[in-house]
Amino acid sequence: GNSVTQMEGPVTLSEEAFLTINCTYTATGYPSLFWYVQYPGEGLQLLLKATKADDKGSNKGFEATYRKETTSFHLEKGSVQVSDSAVYFCALLMDSNYQLIWGAGTKLIIKP
Amino acid sequence: EPEVTQTPSHQVTQMGQEVILRCVPISNHLYFYWYRQILGQKVEFLVSFYNNEISEKSEIFDDQFSVERPDGSNFTLKIRSTKLEDSAMYFCARGKTGGGNEQYFGPGTRLTVT
Repeated sequence: GNSVTQMEGPVTLSEEAFLTINCTYTATGYPSLFWYVQYPGEGLQLLLKATKADDKGSNKGFEATYRKETTSFHLEKGSVQVSDSAVYFCALLMDSNYQLIWGAGTKLIIKP
Repeated sequence: EPEVTQTPSHQVTQMGQEVILRCVPISNHLYFYWYRQILGQKVEFLVSFYNNEISEKSEIFDDQFSVERPDGSNFTLKIRSTKLEDSAMYFCARGKTGGGNEQYFGPGTRLTVT
């Protein structure tokens, strides 16, 4: 079946460090891919998306490129801030339905 | 785009009781979804709702669950007879205005069944 695998957390970085959170997927077909972020005490916020191979989603300094050959959608940011501390979720959505399939989430901790 | 609001933020109920969780969209939307996240587990799809009808549901969404939009605005999830294992965070989401497959989530309702 379709699934999403994320790197385990927590990921702890210092402010201004480079961030990568790995996400790989398994899907029968060509899904849309998403990153959501959950700040402490808040809901799930859509961060970025990509709908086809080689698309790059970007928002708030975060980027992720849809790599069909490696079935990956890694999240990157060049210089993280303390305010980026949150849980990040990778998810996929097939064209045939509306069911987002989620990774387990990766907790990111940024230290000043 | 604005998301949705959910009430209550936290609900504590006894096993066997009925609960109703509410989702209030900011503006008029046709697509709605419910998901849940049991503590320490992945977010799971429950049901999608389009134009006042269920369009898809997961295996989790059994006869104990129902959804409706009673007044054309609020979108509710009802659990008829709660079990301990229903304790979770329940998220409502809406579809994107004007098309696209994005889903925008509310802050969630934490349900605790004792």
